[in-house]
Amino acid sequence: ETGVTQSPTHLIKTRGQQVTLRCSSQSGHNTVSWYQQALGQGPQFIFQYYREEENGRGNFPPRFSGLQFPNYSSELNVNALELDDSALYLCASSVNRGLDGSYEQYFGPGTRLTVT
Amino acid sequence: GEDVEQSLFLSVREGDSSVINCTYTDSSSTYLYWYKQEPGAGLQLLTYIFSNMDMKQDQRLTVLLNKKDKHLSLRIADTQTGDSAIYFCAETTGGSYIPTFGRGTSLIVHP
Repeated sequence: ETGVTQSPTHLIKTRGQQVTLRCSSQSGHNTVSWYQQALGQGPQFIFQYYREEENGRGNFPPRFSGLQFPNYSSELNVNALELDDSALYLCASSVNRGLDGSYEQYFGPGTRLTVT
Repeated sequence: GEDVEQSLFLSVREGDSSVINCTYTDSSSTYLYWYKQEPGAGLQLLTYIFSNMDMKQDQRLTVLLNKKDKHLSLRIADTQTGDSAIYFCAETTGGSYIPTFGRGTSLIVHP
């Protein structure tokens, strides 16, 4: 178990609605990344937050936005939901970079979002 | 084509060795990672290798890297039913800390 938790576990929304997903990072981790994993695919990077600031963004539209709080918990918000937004959303926490330069992330179990 | 490619399925008998293969396109890859995802769970980092290494061994896991052919493999010795999962290869390149993942290989271990 990684110590990274996500809520809710499952969610069903209707096209056009807005959704907020939550993540609680592992203690001591100041960086959180969000990924979208469509069925049968690998995770796709959405964005990363470091010390409450966005620190990198993947190829996702602005209706995907996020927040990181002083206690390093974070949110992913998606506006104007589309059917293609149906996926498993994963958050991963880390320290910025390991001593040997590697990047070790600890993933939560994910939130399964279904848009109908 | 995709940056990181993996075969989609692998079936092995319990006790045999499993070899999961991955190819990547970016010659500036710095780190290559193997993650495991069990049903209903997030990803678990199994191991990683720095691009100037050829091999890394960690208990039942052996990672081989052929940088010339841009080929990475993960060998699991004495495969058990608990190893059944999806295995993802991922790379980071240059100064980026963001991994690019393959589509995953579904490993099925049967008695």
